[in-house]
Amino acid sequence: KAGVTQTPRYLIKTRGQQVTLSCSPISGHRSVSWYQQTPGQGLQFLFEYFSETQRNKGNFPGRFSGRQFSNSRSEMNVSTLELGDSALYLCASGGTGQNEQFFGPGTRLTVL
Amino acid sequence: GQQLNQSPQSMFIQEGEDVSMNCTSSSIFNTWLWYKQEPGEGPVLLIALYKAGELTSNGRLTAQFGITRKDSFLNISASIPSDVGIYFCAGQLSGSARQLTFGSGTQLTVLP
Repeated sequence: KAGVTQTPRYLIKTRGQQVTLSCSPISGHRSVSWYQQTPGQGLQFLFEYFSETQRNKGNFPGRFSGRQFSNSRSEMNVSTLELGDSALYLCASGGTGQNEQFFGPGTRLTVL
Repeated sequence: GQQLNQSPQSMFIQEGEDVSMNCTSSSIFNTWLWYKQEPGEGPVLLIALYKAGELTSNGRLTAQFGITRKDSFLNISASIPSDVGIYFCAGQLSGSARQLTFGSGTQLTVLP
């Protein structure tokens, strides 16, 4: 079974721009969660989608948004980028059984 | 928000030694997950725990779900150089869908 894939792996943007990141979960998994990882704050939950519906949202500003498509692929968007948005963005894929979650390799976003 | 206290923050051990790390919380979790992350990669799931008191092994790794449901520990026996990495605990609250709360990580260094 193929693992979780995320594209792109690396991105460099400037302040004020927007960015879209993509995540394809493990085949058959319908839950996709997004996390932000920074040295200062660690791993923090952004949001979770299940069957195209956002089920849960973390404590991030409205500039962070996401969606999920019918094939379970998910995208997250960050608008009006700030320097503090530089981070590793990870998505996690979950099945319908136990609560295990499997992470992709992440997208490293650098905001200049 | 919820917090997980993970300790120790870092460990330097000799190859062949056993390692122990733990996480505690003021909240009750219904799932505990342990991950390992290496540079430039996403976290890799090592062990998942679903019931209070559960003790689960995965090769040289053993983890337990605390009886109070507020803590968990991970042991690594007979450490080897490839055990180097950052180990994270993650807990999931009941009713939080797939939202994980992460510990701050334990950086493990194995000296030859």
